Amino acid sequence: AQKVTQAQTEISVVEKEDVTLDCVYETRDTTYYLFWYKQPPSGELVFLIRRNSFDEQNEISGRYSWNFQKSTSSFNFTITASQVVDSAVYFCALLGYSTLTFGKGTMLLVSP
Amino acid sequence: GAVVSQHPSWVICKSGTSVKIECRSLDFQATTMFWYRQFPKQSLMLMATSNEGSKATYEQGVEKDKFLINHASLTLSTLTVTSAHPEDSSFYICSATNPGQGTGELFFGEGSRLTVL
Repeated sequence: AQKVTQAQTEISVVEKEDVTLDCVYETRDTTYYLFWYKQPPSGELVFLIRRNSFDEQNEISGRYSWNFQKSTSSFNFTITASQVVDSAVYFCALLGYSTLTFGKGTMLLVSP
Repeated sequence: GAVVSQHPSWVICKSGTSVKIECRSLDFQATTMFWYRQFPKQSLMLMATSNEGSKATYEQGVEKDKFLINHASLTLSTLTVTSAHPEDSSFYICSATNPGQGTGELFFGEGSRLTVL
């Protein structure tokens, strides 16, 4: 069975602070994909990143960076110099061969 | 990336009526589609996984007679909420993938917000 754990329910930071959202997963599939999505209040899911299980290279995209550690089954997401517009719920998800599992989400509140 | 279109975006209906939500992949062969519901301030809860041409696999606790899922083609899956009641009010989201491609590409519809009066 697959499982995705986002232990942080809610994080509050002040603008310009760095913040890391944690994601730990469990799966028996040898090939799988990990995702991060942003869900603003409007509800639609905004794709941020997809990473396959064979690619442990960390990735940086602007203020966003991701740290994939297969040894600890973690795929953490860091926002550098957070902004108010980053306020949203962030979901980590795991796609096995044909099973998609979401974490419970972390609500990020960035105040001015 | 590919586009998955979900329709309608908003629907308000009376209790006891049935509502159909469509999920279309516009330029992508969606051999597998997932249907989720999301209550306010909660995560996405998987309702069922549907594979094109076969019966959907429902998650435990999801009534298959209540939530009818049809995936008759590679580009369309439908979710019908039958005899809707206020407790069925929720945000429903579909996602599409093609496991056979081995790329892990996954596309989401925009979501459908159902309000049952």
